[in-house]
Amino acid sequence: KAGVTQTPRYLIKTRGQQVTLSCSPISGHRSVSWYQQTPGQGLQFLFEYFSETQRNKGNFPGRFSGRQFSNSRSEMNVSTLELGDSALYLCASSPAVGGNQPQHFGDGTRLSIL
Amino acid sequence: QQQVKQSPQSLIVQKGGISIINCAYENTAFDYFPWYQQFPGKGPALLIAIRPDVSEKKEGRFTISFNKSAKQFSLHIMDSQPGDSATYFCAASRGDKIIFGKGTRLHILP
Repeated sequence: KAGVTQTPRYLIKTRGQQVTLSCSPISGHRSVSWYQQTPGQGLQFLFEYFSETQRNKGNFPGRFSGRQFSNSRSEMNVSTLELGDSALYLCASSPAVGGNQPQHFGDGTRLSIL
Repeated sequence: QQQVKQSPQSLIVQKGGISIINCAYENTAFDYFPWYQQFPGKGPALLIAIRPDVSEKKEGRFTISFNKSAKQFSLHIMDSQPGDSATYFCAASRGDKIIFGKGTRLHILP
């Protein structure tokens, strides 16, 4: 079975721009969660989508948004980029909804803000 | 109430030794406690997980010990190997929330 695929692997943007990241979950997995990983804050939960609906949300500003398509693929959008948004953004999929399910992570998108 | 405290930040162990990483949580509503292993340039991979109805779970060289009353859990890696050198994250979660520890960078000396 193919794993979780995230594209692109690397992105460089400037402050004020917006960015869209993509995630294809493991086949059959309907839940997709997004995380931000930084050296200072570690791994932080952004949000979870299941059956095209946002089910859970972490403590991030509204500039961070996402969506899920009928084939379970998901996109995350960050608007009005700030320097502090530089991070590794990880996507994880699982068969069922909820933080108390095993998460299968992709290798992430490294976002750098200049 | 929402923190997961992980220690140590870094750990050096001789090949063949036992690596021990500890985590403590505060929210008693958490009901799932996974450990993830992350290599440089890769996403975290689930290593082993435990639910609070058991006190210990073993999978190969990896064991989770869980102390519900103390709100602590730990990862033991027996017969540590150089290939185990990675960053390890504990987490505590419930249905709508997952909180990760800050990670432990483990280095196994050959």
